[in-house]
Amino acid sequence: DAKTTQPPSMDCAEGRAANLPCNHSTISGNEYVYWYRQIHSQGPQYIIHGLKNNETNEMASLIITEDRKSSTLILPHATLRDTAVYYCIVRFRNSGNTPLVFGKGTRLSVIA
Amino acid sequence: DAGVIQSPRHEVTEMGQEVTLRCKPISGHDYLFWYRQTMMRGLELLIYFNNNVPIDDSGMPEDRFSAKMPNASFSTLKIQPSEPRDSAVYFCASTSWGAMNTEAFFGQGTRLTVV
Repeated sequence: DAKTTQPPSMDCAEGRAANLPCNHSTISGNEYVYWYRQIHSQGPQYIIHGLKNNETNEMASLIITEDRKSSTLILPHATLRDTAVYYCIVRFRNSGNTPLVFGKGTRLSVIA
Repeated sequence: DAGVIQSPRHEVTEMGQEVTLRCKPISGHDYLFWYRQTMMRGLELLIYFNNNVPIDDSGMPEDRFSAKMPNASFSTLKIQPSEPRDSAVYFCASTSWGAMNTEAFFGQGTRLTVV
């Protein structure tokens, strides 16, 4: 899997948008960008994924640059419950499934 | 579905003892993954199965670790003998292969302490 680079930590004020960046400059054409988060003492939780188009769901938005070398996860209105470690993962999809390989992620602290 | 179920949630054991961690994946999922998480090494993939068959066990740290999946609804991770450095949170995850659905679901984990 391509390596990703994320800032180790970020703060965000409650109610504001949290923008979490991820660099994946060596991503290949058939690799997807996945985001998971891990709230303290829980298992990781899927947030969103995309290939090259921007994606939005009930949890977040994913913005992927045109050259696909970086992406941003956006939590539009962060709450205290969004405090977690956020993992950006680049994952190859072929005829079979490939496991998720986790890096160190970004520790997001949402502050009241 | 109740999600991925792991047991026990907490395990404290003495060095040298055998430890067995259990996982029930989500019904219908054909992939199962075992991960280990420590402060020093983060989340590490230990082994994963497809249709009950081990596909990649290169992450298993030593011969003391073994994993089985006797059927589609049950998997075990065994450590024998256990050592203090095995203390970690062990997560099980499952998923199914499909064009649209490749989301992995994780259990709540088993916190293992070896004293």
